[in-house]
Amino acid sequence: AQSVTQLDSHVSVSEGTPVLLRCNYSSSYSPSLFWYVQHPNKGLQLLLKYTSAATLVKGINGFEAEFKKSETSFHLTKPSAHMSDAAEYFCVVRDNYGQNFVFGPGTRLSVLP
Amino acid sequence: GAVVSQHPSRVICKSGTSVKIECRSLDFQATTMFWYRQFPKQSLMLMATSNEGSKATYEQGVEKDKFLINHASLTLSTLTVTSAHPEDSSFYICSAPRTGDVTQPQHFGDGTRLSIL
Repeated sequence: AQSVTQLDSHVSVSEGTPVLLRCNYSSSYSPSLFWYVQHPNKGLQLLLKYTSAATLVKGINGFEAEFKKSETSFHLTKPSAHMSDAAEYFCVVRDNYGQNFVFGPGTRLSVLP
Repeated sequence: GAVVSQHPSRVICKSGTSVKIECRSLDFQATTMFWYRQFPKQSLMLMATSNEGSKATYEQGVEKDKFLINHASLTLSTLTVTSAHPEDSSFYICSAPRTGDVTQPQHFGDGTRLSIL
């Protein structure tokens, strides 16, 4: 069975400073991992995905994430936060033998001017 | 642009009313769609998997008679909340993989905010 932990329920950064949103997962099999962003009262938009290719994955809007199997982590980073990045971020895991996507609890990112 | 359209975006209705939510894939065929429920400040919980031409698969704890799912065409799945009560108030989101491969990333609708008075 898979599970996802997002260690921080809320992260607050100043505009122009780096962003780090942490995600740890557990999976019985080789997983696929995703980061989605959700703006208020909106659906989810895919930021990036890891599916057993390169461990450093680049996504949209300047975000990237690194898959570290030894640490079972898939942390999301961005060098410089923008006000428009304020949203809820979900780390999602799916093991490659199943169809079910398991969502982490989410991290709310606030960007201060 | 959006590839999955969800309608309506917001519903406010009285207790006991049945509410239908539509999820459409706009430029692709979706043999499988997923329905999620999201409580305030919480993550998404998968409710059921909608399969075109066959019965939906419900997650444990989800009442199939309460949440009726119909996937009558390759571009449309509907979720009907029957005899809705205040505890059914939530944000409902559908998703579908753009290709026929359900292992690929999902495209999500914009969600439906359901408020039962």
